[in-house]
Amino acid sequence: EIVLTQSPGTLSLSPGERATLSCRASQSVSSSYLAWYQQKPGQAPRLLIYGASSRATGIPDRFSGSGSGTDFTLTISRLEPEDFAVYYCQQYGRSPAFGPGTKVDIK
Amino acid sequence: EVQLVESGGTVVRPGGSLRLSCAASGFTFDDYGMSWVRQAPGKGLEWVSNINWNGGSTDYADSVKGRFTISRDNAKNSLYLQMNSLRAEDTALYHCARGRGSYPVYYFDYWGQGTLVTVSS
Repeated sequence: EIVLTQSPGTLSLSPGERATLSCRASQSVSSSYLAWYQQKPGQAPRLLIYGASSRATGIPDRFSGSGSGTDFTLTISRLEPEDFAVYYCQQYGRSPAFGPGTKVDIK
Repeated sequence: EVQLVESGGTVVRPGGSLRLSCAASGFTFDDYGMSWVRQAPGKGLEWVSNINWNGGSTDYADSVKGRFTISRDNAKNSLYLQMNSLRAEDTALYHCARGRGSYPVYYFDYWGQGTLVTVSS
């Protein structure tokens, strides 16, 4: 079973700043089966990135994903007010699993 | 427009049973695998179960294996989760989600808003 760890737990930033979120896996994630989701309070999760680096339909290009093996990163190049939310990574090999999440809040 | 609407959540006693439903619209339902993902109050996301396009293959998290059963009716564009022997730790908002990829390797591109299951005496 692959366990995902996300860091930091909370990231306090201002609009316009760059956000770098980390997701680390306990074992190598095969074929970069790694996705990122955004969730705002009272809303369902929204797919941002799949295959570690492919943006989902309609996702702005300020969101980018990178990494392979056990270390993955979600970068938001310039934070917009609507980007303050919780972000989850997910490995989707056998027995899918989510990380605990990183909250991006307003500094 | 893709829509996934869950129903069936309620308060149930420990040891009880419940059946959740998810009505899908806006896409060809039997072209996609489907999944259930839950979220305990104030907590993160937990994958529960996957089912492939025709219901012939299913997979479960260890935490629900042997107690929950996922199924689908492609004629009704509906996904189901039969939940038996419910425990307090099953209390959560249950989302249905559309799977992308090849079974059992799914990420989730559309999610429903969820239906709340509360297990309490």
